[in-house]
Amino acid sequence: DSGVTQTPKHLITATGQRVTLRCSPRSGDLSVYWYQQSLDQGLQFLIQYYNGEERAKGNILERFSAQQFPDLHSELNLSSLELGDSALYFCASSADTRGTEAFFGQGTRLTVV
Amino acid sequence: GEDVEQSLFLSVREGDSSVINCTYTDSSSTYLYWYKQEPGAGLQLLTYIFSNMDMKQDQRLTVLLNKKDKHLSLRIADTQTGDSAIYFCAEIPDTGRRALTFGSGTRLQVQP
Repeated sequence: DSGVTQTPKHLITATGQRVTLRCSPRSGDLSVYWYQQSLDQGLQFLIQYYNGEERAKGNILERFSAQQFPDLHSELNLSSLELGDSALYFCASSADTRGTEAFFGQGTRLTVV
Repeated sequence: GEDVEQSLFLSVREGDSSVINCTYTDSSSTYLYWYKQEPGAGLQLLTYIFSNMDMKQDQRLTVLLNKKDKHLSLRIADTQTGDSAIYFCAEIPDTGRRALTFGSGTRLQVQP
């Protein structure tokens, strides 16, 4: 158990809908990262937050957004969903902004039908 | 830019050693990682090495780094069926955006 908790584990939704994925980092970790794992794109970095502030952006679509709350949990919002958004979404956390040791949650499997 | 490449598949017999290879392109100082993903599970951090090191050993795992060739390998001694998984090589540059760039993963199959 990495100590990073993601909910829900599975999500099935229709095209055009909006969903929210939630992540609780390990106790004491200030950085949260979101990654997407799909068959065609592999594992891709989406976005990083550190202590409530956005720190780095990767290949995140404009339809996607994230935030980190004062209690350090984070949410990834995916809107206007398309079939191609079906993927495993991982959250990772690390103690600092350098991300030297990042621990991953179990992921949320999103299926868009 | 950063790019990490791995071979897709490796099959070994139980008890043998496994060697999984990776090449990376980032020319700056970097941290290099090995993650393990079992079916239906998340990514488990196995070990990591900074690019000023040549080798790191942790129980059955040995990481070797050839910085000149930008080649990283993970050796698993006495491979067990429980080691069957996908192994991802990843890097973080020491400067700039500090997020992991992953390879495509190597599927290790351990035959009993």
